[in-house]
Amino acid sequence: DAKTTQPNSMESNEEEPVHLPCNHSTISGTDYIHWYRQLPSQGPEYVIHGLTSNVNNRMASLAIAEDRKSSTLILHRATLRDAAVYYCILRGTTSGTYKYIFGTGTRLKVLA
Amino acid sequence: ETGVTQSPTHLIKTRGQQVTLRCSSQSGHNTVSWYQQALGQGPQFIFQYYREEENGRGNFPPRFSGLQFPNYSSELNVNALELDDSALYLCASSSTSGGPYNEQFFGPGTRLTVL
Repeated sequence: DAKTTQPNSMESNEEEPVHLPCNHSTISGTDYIHWYRQLPSQGPEYVIHGLTSNVNNRMASLAIAEDRKSSTLILHRATLRDAAVYYCILRGTTSGTYKYIFGTGTRLKVLA
Repeated sequence: ETGVTQSPTHLIKTRGQQVTLRCSSQSGHNTVSWYQQALGQGPQFIFQYYREEENGRGNFPPRFSGLQFPNYSSELNVNALELDDSALYLCASSSTSGGPYNEQFFGPGTRLTVL
């Protein structure tokens, strides 16, 4: 299973953009890049996913490097509610099992 | 449409005992995955069930077992509990319709403490 590497923690001021990086140098051609976040005392929740092109949704944007060995989750205007642990996950077809391999994630702290 | 629910919320057991955790999938979802999350760590994949059969397993011993029922609800059973089994146990459901990359919807988890 391909691994991802993320910084342990990051801080942001409220209403400023946040860029959360993820390295995945061993990604294979069929691996999708997924991002989940886990708010305190809750299960993880889906944020966004992509394969090659940049993606946008109501929660965030995902910027994927041209070689796909890294990606960045972008929160355009951080709010206090965005304080969570953010997980970057690769999900592929090789095993045939639709499991997620979580790392330790990035703990985002949002300052008022 | 109800989300993924898990029961119980909290549970305290002693070493050597057995425990059963339950999960109700989100409506329309036919796949259930179970994860173990130790304090300060990311969730670790235990196994997944699809159409009532195990469809992949992580690095967990056989004393971790599961079931999926015709209504797609699921159980996680752990025998001979050890202190290290203390963790948050998460259930996630997903639908395979439309491809294998549909998002997983997680429940709030069951906090298991083994004394």
